[in-house]
Amino acid sequence: QQQVKQSPQSLIVQKGGISIINCAYENTAFDYFPWYQQFPGKGPALLIAIRPDVSEKKEGRFTISFNKSAKQFSLHIMDSQPGDSATYFCAASMKGQGAQKLVFGQGTRLTINP
Amino acid sequence: KAGVTQTPRYLIKTRGQQVTLSCSPISGHRSVSWYQQTPGQGLQFLFEYFSETQRNKGNFPGRFSGRQFSNSRSEMNVSTLELGDSALYLCASSLSSGKGELFFGEGSRLTVL
Repeated sequence: QQQVKQSPQSLIVQKGGISIINCAYENTAFDYFPWYQQFPGKGPALLIAIRPDVSEKKEGRFTISFNKSAKQFSLHIMDSQPGDSATYFCAASMKGQGAQKLVFGQGTRLTINP
Repeated sequence: KAGVTQTPRYLIKTRGQQVTLSCSPISGHRSVSWYQQTPGQGLQFLFEYFSETQRNKGNFPGRFSGRQFSNSRSEMNVSTLELGDSALYLCASSLSSGKGELFFGEGSRLTVL
């Protein structure tokens, strides 16, 4: 119940294409859903985050779509660039436990081919 | 503004030893969280400290402990090391506890032989 399931494990997209990564959760007590980007040798960095009262949030080329009834959320990267090649993690935190205690998905290794 | 600084970046220990990892948060940040990252288990929450008090704890054995000092710097300690403790240990800081963006350091890579 505390898990966040992420798919796919790896993804290859052509430059200029759309990258889509999906996550699903069971626990309805989750109320904060961030996405992190991690480059090799670096720590994760926050990309974009959403709360369940919003169905979509867009920041530049990055969009989170949130489906509360299906308990799913996804990251869309528009016009994907080689510099977007990294590992992406979805995460969730529970109401009352704070945004610091995150449950992470297993990660998606994204490769953008030039 | 300097980011989150973790030391040491790499270390090798043998089974049964203990290790202490250090984290200096971003200036002004009072919350420090620790995560373990492994290929098999992914990123797992260890604990969070705010104002020198442990606010939250993950599902790790008591061999894993931490503390925070009055200047917000934090240390975590792992005693009686096991092979399975080999991992990247990440520290993250945030302005306050409860909400807000986590800023991660580059991690301390521990290898247990």
